Amino acid sequence: EVRLVESGGGLVQPGRSLRLSCAASGFTFGEFAMYWVRQAPGKGLEWVSGISWKSDTLGYADSVKGRFTISRDNARNSLYLQMNSLRAEDTALYYCAKHRGLDFRESYGMDVWGQGTTVTVSS
Amino acid sequence: QSVLTQPPSVSAAPGQKVTVSCSGSTSNIGNNFVSWYQQLPGTAPKLLIYENDKRPSGIPDRFSGSKSGTSATLAITGLHTGDEADYYCGTWDSSLSSWVFGGGTKLTVL
Repeated sequence: EVRLVESGGGLVQPGRSLRLSCAASGFTFGEFAMYWVRQAPGKGLEWVSGISWKSDTLGYADSVKGRFTISRDNARNSLYLQMNSLRAEDTALYYCAKHRGLDFRESYGMDVWGQGTTVTVSS
Repeated sequence: QSVLTQPPSVSAAPGQKVTVSCSGSTSNIGNNFVSWYQQLPGTAPKLLIYENDKRPSGIPDRFSGSKSGTSATLAITGLHTGDEADYYCGTWDSSLSSWVFGGGTKLTVL
């Protein structure tokens, strides 16, 4: 079964850091680009970041550029999102999603999604 | 304000057909594939349509997608209450260097 399981969310104060993880199983993780997508309470989907299959191309939404860092460990079948300088507007459910191709800039679609991990930024 | 424009809501009776539009520009829909996602209440998004008009395995042929110029359309026929969900279009925007989603359309089956 193809599966993505996010973890690492929680309640954090503004300005602090958090690291999200996504464990992949059921497919050859190292052969696909991956994404982080978030959804604020009651809002729509917002792309956060993408990483190519061999980590040579990274991309970020303007809203998180300079604060968030995406990475992956293909040997551990894992995707990560290091979130620094968190703000209240980063409060959301964070999903990891699998791309259908090698490079996240290709518009082939996101065919597998995890259930998400909740990040709440509040004092 | 989303880069891709979708109607906030659509509705139709059981058994009927509904369409959801997604409007963009040459930097996104006009030169890239469009995908569609269904998000049932309280669940993660699910891929419905990829590369404009292709269905993943397991998605019934009641769901179809099309693209013309800088717009895309999701059509759902034979509606039933289980189709009530939020639907999102998405694609890569070459100018923004960013994946973009529509604001989402809430489908109500009356």
